[in-house]
Amino acid sequence: GAVVSQHPSWVICKSGTSVKIECRSLDFQATTMFWYRQFPKQSLMLMATSNEGSKATYEQGVEKDKFLINHASLTLSTLTVTSAHPEDSSFYICSARDWVGTEQYFGPGTRLTVT
Amino acid sequence: QKEVEQNSGPLSVPEGAIASLNCTYSDRGSQSFFWYRQYSGKSPELIMSIYSNGDKEDGRFTAQLNKASQYVSLLIRDSQPSDSATYLCAVKRGGSTGTASKLTFGTGTRLQVTL
Repeated sequence: GAVVSQHPSWVICKSGTSVKIECRSLDFQATTMFWYRQFPKQSLMLMATSNEGSKATYEQGVEKDKFLINHASLTLSTLTVTSAHPEDSSFYICSARDWVGTEQYFGPGTRLTVT
Repeated sequence: QKEVEQNSGPLSVPEGAIASLNCTYSDRGSQSFFWYRQYSGKSPELIMSIYSNGDKEDGRFTAQLNKASQYVSLLIRDSQPSDSATYLCAVKRGGSTGTASKLTFGTGTRLQVTL
């Protein structure tokens, strides 16, 4: 299957600071990328969908000014958590799909802890 | 009614047995169906995709789809302890853009393969 990488794999930051998470498709061009969040023992929650070169589409209840998504190229999307708070601590996972749009592959995830 | 329903488990099967995981979905317009495996603390990994009625086999895994009954299942033959994970069923309406392109996940079934 296709390979999606994420960086960093884990990050600890202080409350009020911002954190940027990168998601890269390594062996295919990702026309669409998705960002999910998962709290312990809960299912995946889709935060937003981004198409290359377009503004991200956020799911209901997700603050677009807090979770900034940029999908500037066909292989890179970034999620920036601005003014992070302890309740933002979670497992953030990106996923990518090519233009054919059939299968969707996940990155390894980024564990964010806000102290 | 949830869009994609799975029994949360845990489903416990002895090593070497067949594990049967089930999923029902409510949207009759769904066209693409996926099974992901998620180990604790890790991101989901795509293991099977199925698009037409019937069975699809890949190694020890068989996906079964019945669109009339809105039912998709995953069989794991010769279950191994390493198969112990949460299995997520996901469905997609089809298309590469817009709401129809999003995956809708079930909450997952936790499988335990015992020695």
